[in-house]
Amino acid sequence: QSVLTQPPSASGTPGQRVTISCSGSSSNIGSKDVSWYQQLPGAAPKLLMYSTSQRPSGVPDRFSGSKSGISASLAISGLQSEDEADYYCAAWDVSLSAWMFGGGTKLTVL
Amino acid sequence: QVQLQESGPGLVKPSQTLSLTCTVSGDSISSGGQYWSWIRQPAGKGLEWIGRIYTTGSTNYNPSLNSRVTISIDTSKNQFSLKVTSVTAADTAVYYCARAWFDSWGQGTLVTVSS
Repeated sequence: QSVLTQPPSASGTPGQRVTISCSGSSSNIGSKDVSWYQQLPGAAPKLLMYSTSQRPSGVPDRFSGSKSGISASLAISGLQSEDEADYYCAAWDVSLSAWMFGGGTKLTVL
Repeated sequence: QVQLQESGPGLVKPSQTLSLTCTVSGDSISSGGQYWSWIRQPAGKGLEWIGRIYTTGSTNYNPSLNSRVTISIDTSKNQFSLKVTSVTAADTAVYYCARAWFDSWGQGTLVTVSS
């Protein structure tokens, strides 16, 4: 059972907007920034979003991040087939003094 | 551009110690005040943060693994290392090393615990 909770799956058709949620607590998302990672099949995870809503260089602006209270969201607009991957949220937990990951969401592009 | 590369035995016997090293290139492990982490992923499962080490050598570990994990740093070789003691089949996973808030990752190395 992960400290951060994500839906196990999400799906959308090309061009659609999809949102993936990540729920935590006051000791992690509620007080710290959230980061998101994209993991393509057979590959290492890749940083997609940091400091809740900042995109690293090279990440398309179709990806956006936000946070409200103890929940965070990753939105993908203009969904493309190459977006099909596993997505993980992460945040530092001040009570545990440890990084916590969500269980991951498998995004399927129909 | 920073690159990280994990290395170590791919097969470890139950009850023995798993040892991995991450070699960093393109960035100095001793400058800039950064954290260096180990993360693992069992086949078909999610990511689990194992622990991290700071440039100064201070560490933080996942409470679920705390008593079995040691992370160390060798600034002369630009490397940091992971040791997990008393391993069981549950420690079988792909092990990744990563920088800071995981902005750069190694390619990962599969470690299987089996007799």
